[in-house]
This record gives sequence, structure tokens and C-alpha cells, in this order.
Amino acid sequence: EDKVVQSPLSLVVHEGDTVTLNCSYEVTNFRSLLWYKQEKKAPTFLFMLTSSGIEKKSGRLSSILDKKELFSILNITATQTGDSAVYLCAGVAGGTSYGKLTFGQGTILTVHP
Amino acid sequence: DTGVSQNPRHKITKRGQNVTFRCDPISEHNRLYWYRQTLGQGPEFLTYFQNEAQLEKSRLLSDRFSAERPKGSFSTLEIQRTEQGDSAMYLCASSSGTGGETQYFGPGTRLLVL
Repeated sequence: EDKVVQSPLSLVVHEGDTVTLNCSYEVTNFRSLLWYKQEKKAPTFLFMLTSSGIEKKSGRLSSILDKKELFSILNITATQTGDSAVYLCAGVAGGTSYGKLTFGQGTILTVHP
Repeated sequence: DTGVSQNPRHKITKRGQNVTFRCDPISEHNRLYWYRQTLGQGPEFLTYFQNEAQLEKSRLLSDRFSAERPKGSFSTLEIQRTEQGDSAMYLCASSSGTGGETQYFGPGTRLLVL
């Protein structure tokens, strides 16, 4: 059965800190890994990672995938209170289950002023 | 393009009643997915459609649950004889299919079964 595990489960930091969120996965016929941000509503898309070692960047957020070790990290630099949310990663399956997402349980990030 | 929409946004029902939720995907997205999310957990896959064909159903989807996508556009998820354990957020997502693995989520329907 496909499995995605995120760590830490929760994180409390102060504005300006840098955080690293971890995601390990075991997904059948793995195709890609997605990161989402969820703030008391539906998840909003952040990144899709398909290739190992290629960093994706958007403002203060960046992410990278290691397909050999089966993990991904999401970095947020110079955190702001608006970054407070649940961050979800999801593995995308291929083959007969093409497109099916298996989510981790999420990392709750709290950024204090 | 207004994104994925879901109705209703909230539903309170009594145990044993039937409920139906609707999802309208992003136009021209041929794949549509249903997920269930309980407090403190990530979304769990329930089922998905490519056009009008239902291609996979999770073991989580008991025989009280049924989903349809009759014309390959909007989809409905029905829960019969609701139980308190069905209380959750039901999320719908759509993607463009081949080569488009990113799924875009709707706002969800929060179900409370009393």
C-alpha cells in the first residue's frame, strides 16, 4: 500500500526563521510529488517535482526531490505569519492508478510575530 | 475559469439520512477526483473519473457511497444511510489528465452527521 510520511508533524517558529519540512514516500509506479498549502480550506498547489535534484523555487519557498532516497524537502526562508498553515505533500501514482494522490498527514507550521 | 466548485459548502444531517454532494471541475479537465479529509489528517483518496468512466475506487468507499459523472462534466457523491463516522470534509479535485498531474482542489463540503 502506498505511503507518505511527513515530519515534523508540527513546528512553531518566529518570523524571519527558516524552516525545512520533510516528506518521504513509497508510491507504486511513482510519477511525481506535489506540495500543497492548506489554510482552513482546500489545499492550494505549491510545487510539482518530477526530476531528482532539480530545485523548484517560488519566492521564499523552494523544494527538491531525491528519487533515490525517496524523499522531498520544502524550505521556507524568512518566514512570515502568513506562512502559518498545514503543508501537505502527496505522491502521484502511475500505471493503472495514474494520477491518484497519496497524501502525508501534513506539517502544521505556526509562525509567531 | 472559476476553478473547482463544490456544493453545498456545509451539510448537517441526522444519522441514517442520505446526502448528495456536487462537484464542478475546471472546464476541460477530464479527470475528477474525490477525497475525504478528517481533522488532523491529509486527504484520503476515494475515487476518480476520467471523463464519465469511474476508473478506481478506494477500499474506503463502502457500498453506502456512490459517485457518478454522467456526462463527463460535473460529478456527484452520494452517501446513503449516513453514520457519524462519515463526518469529514469531502474534497473534489480536477486535473487535465495526460501530462497534467497537478490536481486543483475545490473548497470542499464539510459534512456533520449528528
